[in-house]
Amino acid sequence: EAGVAQSPRYKIIEKRQSVAFWCNPISGHATLYWYQQILGQGPKLLIQFQNNGVVDDSQLPKDRFSAERLKGVDSTLKIQPAKLEDSAVYLCASSFGTGSYEQYFGPGTRLTVT
Amino acid sequence: KNEVEQSPQNLTAQEGEFITINCSYSVGISALHWLQQHPGGGIVSLFMLSSGKKKHGRLIATINIQEKHSSLHITASHPRDSAVYICAEGGSNYKLTFGKGTLLTVNP
Repeated sequence: EAGVAQSPRYKIIEKRQSVAFWCNPISGHATLYWYQQILGQGPKLLIQFQNNGVVDDSQLPKDRFSAERLKGVDSTLKIQPAKLEDSAVYLCASSFGTGSYEQYFGPGTRLTVT
Repeated sequence: KNEVEQSPQNLTAQEGEFITINCSYSVGISALHWLQQHPGGGIVSLFMLSSGKKKHGRLIATINIQEKHSSLHITASHPRDSAVYICAEGGSNYKLTFGKGTLLTVNP
């Protein structure tokens, strides 16, 4: 079974630039999560999708972050414009449904904003 | 507010030592997770438990619901066990709240 795929693995941008991350969850997983993990911290949930609907985006900085999962499969997370404090690892995870705690994580995208 | 506290933050051990990482949480949970994160970012789920004890190879996880405390033990530690170990609590809404992680370094 293929795992959660993410790309790119690494990205370096200057502040005020835009960046997009892509995630393809495990086939058949209805729930998709985007997390932000700042160095030395645990992951923080940014947004949770159930199929193509948003379940929770309460911690997503909506003035600069956006995410979509148009067809209920893969998802894109965008930052526009980036700030220095956005430097972090962005993790995507998926689970079979919202009634499950078992989340499967992708390898993450390490973003450096200079 | 859900809070998950881990200790120690950093742990260095010699190969073969018995290792314990502790996790305390603040509210009632439905499940407690232990996860492993290697350099490069990927996270792997080690255990999900709601009571008692689970064992997988050299890893053992225990939980005390009354004390809101869980421990992860590694027996006969090996350099390949070097990683960040993260505790996460699952609340009634199936969301996970993560601790900051414990950086374990096992020296040969």
